[in-house]
Amino acid sequence: KAGVTQTPRYLIKTRGQQVTLSCSPISGHRSVSWYQQTPGQGLQFLFEYFSETQRNKGNFPGRFSGRQFSNSRSEMNVSTLELGDSALYLCASSSGPEETQYFGPGTRLLVL
Amino acid sequence: AQSVSQHNHHVILSEAASLELGCNYSYGGTVNLFWYVQYPGQHLQLLLKYFSGDPLVKGIKGFEAEFIKSKFSFNLRKPSVQWSDTAEYFCAVKGSGTYKYIFGTGTRLKVLA
Repeated sequence: KAGVTQTPRYLIKTRGQQVTLSCSPISGHRSVSWYQQTPGQGLQFLFEYFSETQRNKGNFPGRFSGRQFSNSRSEMNVSTLELGDSALYLCASSSGPEETQYFGPGTRLLVL
Repeated sequence: AQSVSQHNHHVILSEAASLELGCNYSYGGTVNLFWYVQYPGQHLQLLLKYFSGDPLVKGIKGFEAEFIKSKFSFNLRKPSVQWSDTAEYFCAVKGSGTYKYIFGTGTRLKVLA
């Protein structure tokens, strides 16, 4: 089975712009979660989608949003980028709450 | 508030030394516990997990962890580390039956050959 894929892998944006990141889960996985990873902060949970519905949300401002499509692929969007949004954004998928969560390689976002 | 604390941010060991990385959590209710590892340039991958049953859990590459409910701890251990164990290690907790994972800030382990 192919793993979790994320595109693009690297992105450079400037303050005020918006960005859309994409995640394709492992085939058959319906749950997709997003995390922001920064040095010293570890992984911080952004949100989780299941069957096109956001079921869990972390403590991030409304500039961070996401959606999931009927094929379980997910996108996250960050509007009005700030310097502090520079991070590695990780996507993970799972087939069930008692199953292992598998991570993608991440999208590294640099905001200048 | 739900949280995970990893007390050691950086650990340096020589090969063959024993390893113990601390993890404490704060969470109301039944929890599932995890250790993930991120080797340099690679994806996060699962080392081991605890859902129920025997509180001593064995994972890949000789790692094990013990869930001590009374101490809200899930420490990771390995009796003899290798140079290839150099990586960043993350402890995580989630509520049983949920998908919302809470991760610690990670511990960077460097093993000297």
